[in-house]
Amino acid sequence: DSGVTQTPKHLITATGQRVTLRCSPRSGDLSVYWYQQSLDQGLQFLIQYYNGEERAKGNILERFSAQQFPDLHSELNLSSLELGDSALYFCASSGAAGGAQETQYFGPGTRLLVL
Amino acid sequence: GENVEQHPSTLSVQEGDSAVIKCTYSDSASNYFPWYKQELGKGPQLIIDIRSNVGEKKDQRIAVTLNKTAKHFSLHITETQPEDSAVYFCAARPNDGGFKTIFGAGTRLFVKA
Repeated sequence: DSGVTQTPKHLITATGQRVTLRCSPRSGDLSVYWYQQSLDQGLQFLIQYYNGEERAKGNILERFSAQQFPDLHSELNLSSLELGDSALYFCASSGAAGGAQETQYFGPGTRLLVL
Repeated sequence: GENVEQHPSTLSVQEGDSAVIKCTYSDSASNYFPWYKQELGKGPQLIIDIRSNVGEKKDQRIAVTLNKTAKHFSLHITETQPEDSAVYFCAARPNDGGFKTIFGAGTRLFVKA
C-alpha cells in the first residue's frame, strides 16, 4: 500500500459527460501528479501540483483540468468525454520539496470507461 | 521532445534465470531514473531508482546500471521467481527545471515455473 488513495475505483459514463476523479496524497507529501494509462499510449504525464499551485504540465487536453485544495487532495476533472478517454488514471505523490529527483508513489488508479 | 525507449516489450524467462530490460533516453540532461513494477489491477510501484551521479545500484536481486555517455540504463533481475511476473516501466526525469517524468512503454515479464 503506497499511502495514496484514489476514488472512485471504477467509473462508467457516456460520451459528452463530465466526471471528477479524486486523489489524496501520502501524509506529508505536497506534490500530486496525474497520469493517464491507456493500452496504446502507456503512462502519460498529465499535470503536477505542488502545495496548491500548478508546477508542470504534460500532455493534458484542454477538456481536462485539475486542482489541488488546501488540504492537499487533488481532483482531476474530465469534460466532454470521448470514447478515447477510456483509460486508467493514476495519481502519484512525492515529498515535501517537490524536487525533480523525488520518488513518486502511485495510487491504485481509477478505471474510466466511456460508452 | 523527450523520449524513453524500452526493450523488449515482452520477456519470458524460466524461473531462476536472469532478466534484463534496457532503456534509452533522449534528453542528456536527465538526472533521475526510476523503475516501476505494475501488477495486474494495481498502480506502478517503485522498485529501484538511480541518480545520474551513480553508475550502478543494487538491492538484493535487483540492480540498475546507468551509462550516461550512451544515454541508456538497464534493469537486471537475478534468480527470477514467478512473483516477479508483471509489467516493468523505466522512466527518466529531465533536469530542465520542470518535473515531468517520461515513461518507457513497458516490458511484460513472464517467469515460468
